[in-house]
Amino acid sequence: QKEVEQDPGPLSVPEGAIVSLNCTYSNSAFQYFMWYRQYSRKGPELLMYTYSSGNKEDGRFTAQVDKSSKYISLFIRDSQPSDSATYLCAMSEGTGRRALTFGSGTRLQVQP
Amino acid sequence: DVKVTQSSRYLVKRTGEKVFLECVQDMDHENMFWYRQDPGLGLRLIYFSYDVKMKEKGDIPEGYSVSREKKERFSLILESASTNQTSMYLCASSLVRTGSHEQYFGPGTRLTVT
Repeated sequence: QKEVEQDPGPLSVPEGAIVSLNCTYSNSAFQYFMWYRQYSRKGPELLMYTYSSGNKEDGRFTAQVDKSSKYISLFIRDSQPSDSATYLCAMSEGTGRRALTFGSGTRLQVQP
Repeated sequence: DVKVTQSSRYLVKRTGEKVFLECVQDMDHENMFWYRQDPGLGLRLIYFSYDVKMKEKGDIPEGYSVSREKKERFSLILESASTNQTSMYLCASSLVRTGSHEQYFGPGTRLTVT
């Protein structure tokens, strides 16, 4: 079993839809949770991060962490064609000299 | 802006060749990482380094080695390339700092081994 599970998609939605992307994990020591966005032929870029449980909102994006269920989500409101990308969740036990553990990524296509 | 550059975007090599992938970052980051990205498997860590001449194995180090002689440069070496090393290779860097968790990625090198 992988340490971080993520549905690969592809997920296709119409413009303006609310998108929900999810990851589950097995390592209860993870404390930092991130979402990276990767456009085609580019490297991933950090989109959102959350420490421990709770919600964080940034514009049209909301990140949720439920440590009791070992489940994290990214919601995109009013999705746009420019949101079409692969979204990767990533987690870490700490900061500093730490590597991240990534999910396999969900490919999202927002249809105009 | 942080910039992470990789020496090649596309590379084609033959089985058995020694392959060097170079990565350079310009933000004085202590940490540097090499990942490979394959469909359905996501990003898997090959090696990382938190200081010059320091290295730690990641999840899939077999068949790879690394070199970090200068803080800004981290090289990935495939000693004898094999077809199962055909992949997208991504370099990243980050700060060693409490509360810092962002890794900055380069554009990737798509390596094909024939």
